[in-house]
Amino acid sequence: NAGVTQTPKFRILKIGQSMTLQCAQDMNHNYMYWYRQDPGMGLKLIYYSVGAGITDKGEVPNGYNVSRSTTEDFPLRLELAAPSQTSVYFCASSTALGYEQYFGPGTRLTVT
Amino acid sequence: DQQVKQNSPSLSVQEGRISILNCDYTNSMFDYFLWYKKYPAEGPTFLISISSIKDKNEDGRFTVFLNKSAKHLSLHIVPSQPGDSAVYFCAASANQGGKLIFGQGTELSVKP
Repeated sequence: NAGVTQTPKFRILKIGQSMTLQCAQDMNHNYMYWYRQDPGMGLKLIYYSVGAGITDKGEVPNGYNVSRSTTEDFPLRLELAAPSQTSVYFCASSTALGYEQYFGPGTRLTVT
Repeated sequence: DQQVKQNSPSLSVQEGRISILNCDYTNSMFDYFLWYKKYPAEGPTFLISISSIKDKNEDGRFTVFLNKSAKHLSLHIVPSQPGDSAVYFCAASANQGGKLIFGQGTELSVKP
């Protein structure tokens, strides 16, 4: 049981490039989330999903897109990367909204 | 508008003593509160939670206290151990189904 996995662990992007951050969970959780954590700040919710085919915006969705075609996978797409998107990105999953969430190890992204 | 606040960015405690981490919130609709622990280069892990119908929840060395009238919760760790050194986030949700809102985190250092 791997829990929540994220790839890649690190990535450097140039301004204007695009990339997809991968997230997968093997706990059969319906709810999945993407957060970003900036230095000295808490986790900010980017997007979340309550099940396959259903996604919704969180607190800071601008510049990102998501899709949820299966229960297991929840990729986060960055289009036209900007320096403001330099952050650590965490994916999480849970059995219900608002309760204990299980987090992946994170992806550290630098945009220069 | 920071709905969940951890006003102490850092805390240093001697091994064996009590660590007290504090968290304040502004939204009176919050009814479920959680504490997460985060080591460097890892994702947050769930530590302990409390529902608004309780004022205390205990799990081993960890106890969370909730003061609804003051909109304040605290995490007590007794006795503190060097392995407890980490960043601690409090989080809250509303209506037991809302999205989690995280505080900024407090970095705890337990010195031998």
